[in-house]
Amino acid sequence: DTEVTQTPKHLVMGMTNKKSLKCEQHMGHRAMYWYKQKAKKPPELMFVYSYEKLSINESVPSRFSPECPNSSLLNLHLHALQPEDSALYLCASSQVRRGAVNEQFFGPGTRLTVL
Amino acid sequence: AQKVTQAQTEISVVEKEDVTLDCVYETRDTTYYLFWYKQPPSGELVFLIRRNSFDEQNEISGRYSWNFQKSTSSFNFTITASQVVDSAVYFCALSDNTDKLIFGTGTRLQVFP
Repeated sequence: DTEVTQTPKHLVMGMTNKKSLKCEQHMGHRAMYWYKQKAKKPPELMFVYSYEKLSINESVPSRFSPECPNSSLLNLHLHALQPEDSALYLCASSQVRRGAVNEQFFGPGTRLTVL
Repeated sequence: AQKVTQAQTEISVVEKEDVTLDCVYETRDTTYYLFWYKQPPSGELVFLIRRNSFDEQNEISGRYSWNFQKSTSSFNFTITASQVVDSAVYFCALSDNTDKLIFGTGTRLQVFP
């Protein structure tokens, strides 16, 4: 199994809603990532988990709350979002190897619209 | 500071033409990694290649080839005999031995039949 899955594919939410994005991989990767991508822009890193611990938070607003329940799952909890948070949210995973940077494998993304 | 520049915003070619996508990077590190990803209209980023700074050998994979030149800080990508299915946005990315990928702004390639 060499894929990263994300659910849902599309999500529309109001500014007062609470929702969660889910990501799953079964490649045995121990690093997982959340990216945000606005239209016609490159992906921007939000969070990195390494061995289920948060290792990088790119100064993301607290209305985005990541969670890594186990080595295969990554969630992104959303609360009180703003319309400008509408974007494609991409999850990725990679192997962790000391002294090397490995390629990241991306899921298909969740297209989020905040009304 | 690290930076990746993809000066070509959009390229249009006709099927079977060869096309080269340029990537120029900046880093102060001696150890770094370069990547190319393809993003078709469906949205998923597809990994194409990873190259570390100590390996300057060019690589060919089918119709795809990559030219890594440290002297000019470039990592260019050539598609030979392009096909309509090659239409996508292509991102070049750089990592300095951390988990962070620095992406270029991307080049949108349109291949017309």
